[in-house]
Amino acid sequence: DAGVIQSPRHEVTEMGQEVTLRCKPISGHDYLFWYRQTMMRGLELLIYFNNNVPIDDSGMPEDRFSAKMPNASFSTLKIQPSEPRDSAVYFCASSLGGQGTDTQYFGPGTRLTVL
Amino acid sequence: AQKVTQAQTEISVVEKEDVTLDCVYETRDTTYYLFWYKQPPSGELVFLIRRNSFDEQNEISGRYSWNFQKSTSSFNFTITASQVVDSAVYFCALSEVNFGNEKLTFGTGTRLTIIP
Repeated sequence: DAGVIQSPRHEVTEMGQEVTLRCKPISGHDYLFWYRQTMMRGLELLIYFNNNVPIDDSGMPEDRFSAKMPNASFSTLKIQPSEPRDSAVYFCASSLGGQGTDTQYFGPGTRLTVL
Repeated sequence: AQKVTQAQTEISVVEKEDVTLDCVYETRDTTYYLFWYKQPPSGELVFLIRRNSFDEQNEISGRYSWNFQKSTSSFNFTITASQVVDSAVYFCALSEVNFGNEKLTFGTGTRLTIIP
């Protein structure tokens, strides 16, 4: 079975541009998570969905960030407008169940560079 | 609030040596799960193990072993006869069993370098 798929793997953009990151979770997984990894802050949860519904978006840094999950097999994380401090690796993860009991499997990540 | 501490920021050992990565956690829940993930230089996060709070048996998988001790709130990871391919950043993580709080809390990671 395919794991979590993310695209693009690398994204370089200029400040002020809109950036869209994409994620396809593992088929059958009900939970989808978006994380950001930076040297300064480590791995931090941005938002997660259960059955396509956002459950907790308290980690989203500001209104410039938005995430959607229109169906069970696709999610996007959008940054508009992007800023240099958004440069990071963004991971998508999915798990079969929730309540902290199931393993989260991570995608390969998208390395975002904002110039 | 839950917290995971990996006090060892970087470790270097010579190939074939054994190495132990420490993980100490804090939680007020009696039911929780502990995880280890590996992040090789290529950048992906690879799941290694999950352990629930009611199972304190040590686990061995090939050259990898894990020692879970609730008395000291520790979940340490040992690599026996290390190999260059073990070079990576290793993360310990904790999740509590609560609806609406399914997030993993990660430690800051330990960068392991195996010297050939």
